Amino acid sequence: EVQLEESGGGLVQPGGSLRLSCAASGFAFSNHWMNWVRQAPGKGLEWVANIKYDGSETSYLDSVKGRFTISRDNAKNSLYLQMNSLRAEDTAVYYCARAALTGRGGDCWGQGTLVTVSS
Amino acid sequence: DIQMTQSPFSVSASVGDRVTITCRASQGINNWLNWYQQKPGKAPKLLTYAASSLQSGVPSRFSGSGSGTDFTLTISSLQPEDFATYYCQQGNSSPFTFGPGTKVDIK
Repeated sequence: EVQLEESGGGLVQPGGSLRLSCAASGFAFSNHWMNWVRQAPGKGLEWVANIKYDGSETSYLDSVKGRFTISRDNAKNSLYLQMNSLRAEDTAVYYCARAALTGRGGDCWGQGTLVTVSS
Repeated sequence: DIQMTQSPFSVSASVGDRVTITCRASQGINNWLNWYQQKPGKAPKLLTYAASSLQSGVPSRFSGSGSGTDFTLTISSLQPEDFATYYCQQGNSSPFTFGPGTKVDIK
């Protein structure tokens, strides 16, 4: 069964850091681009970052550039999001999503992990 | 950045109704348009990709169409399990923006 499971969310103070992880199973992780997408409470979906299947290319939402870093370890079937200098507006459920091999849609999603930035 | 808009913001419909949701991109996106369904407290689910291709396992009452900057998601006969929020997303260029969503609720 294809599965993605996020972890690492929690409560952090403004200016703090968190590292999110996404464990993949049931598919050839190293073949797929991967994404992080977030959803603030009661709001819509917002794409955050993606990374190429071999880790050689990354792309970010402007508001997180220089603060967030997406990475992956294909040997461990894992995706990461290092989040630094966190702000209240980063509060959201963070989902990892697999990019389909055709069509560029997110065809498999984790259950999400909640990040709350508050003092 | 490419901006995505959706209409309507919400729609009230009955079981069996035909429902159409539109999505407009601020510039051409080469038909790299995805539609998702999201239910409260759940992760999004991919319905269609590349404007008109149905994702495996998705019922055929869902269909996507359009080209250029204007796209449509149609539910041909609304079922009880289809009451949800629907989002479009462009996959043409970073940042891969989503539309604001359309909530489909029970009339």
